[in-house]
Amino acid sequence: QVQLVESGGGVVQPGRSLRLSCAASGFTVNSYAMHWVRQAPDKGLDWVAVISYDGSNIYYADSVKGRFTISRDISKNTLSLQMNSLRAEDSALYYCARGGTRLDYWGQGALVTVSS
Amino acid sequence: DIQMTQSPSSLSASVGDRVTITCRASQSVNSFLNWYQQKPGKAPKLLMYAASSLQSGVPSRFSGSGSGTDFTLTISSLQPEDFATYYCQQSYSTLWTFGQGTKVEIK
Repeated sequence: QVQLVESGGGVVQPGRSLRLSCAASGFTVNSYAMHWVRQAPDKGLDWVAVISYDGSNIYYADSVKGRFTISRDISKNTLSLQMNSLRAEDSALYYCARGGTRLDYWGQGALVTVSS
Repeated sequence: DIQMTQSPSSLSASVGDRVTITCRASQSVNSFLNWYQQKPGKAPKLLMYAASSLQSGVPSRFSGSGSGTDFTLTISSLQPEDFATYYCQQSYSTLWTFGQGTKVEIK
């Protein structure tokens, strides 16, 4: 069955970097668009980035553009999010999710806390 | 970016009530509108896609309607397991956006 498992979360100081990974099973990441969505504590959902099924199209929310990079490793069937120049407002639970026009499968999330 | 505005932000209802949540887009999103349910400590779950299509496994008491800029999610008879937060989300533009959420609480 389809499963998404995020890893790599943690506590990081402002201005530093962190890399999240999402291991996919039950499907291949080069068959679906893949997204990152985040949720700050007790806040709503905030779409972060998408990579198309073939990797040819990548888009970012304005709030992370130029700081975050989404990528995938087809050989490992994983999705990644490289987060640089982190800010306090980037603190959130980061979900990876599958979907072209809708997010039909979600992981359980990786918690990122940006704090000095 | 397309802004998505839900109303109300929260509501109190009883088991068996009919509940309607609205979502308005700042510009037309055609029918590229999805609804998600999220319970505390859990990942969101897809309920409806393309404005009015029921995701597999979702009870038929959930329904969606609308196109363009105005959409609704209706729960025909609220059940105890439906108390949660609901989000609309547009996938019309390349930059997706979510509504701020509607929390459905027990009256």
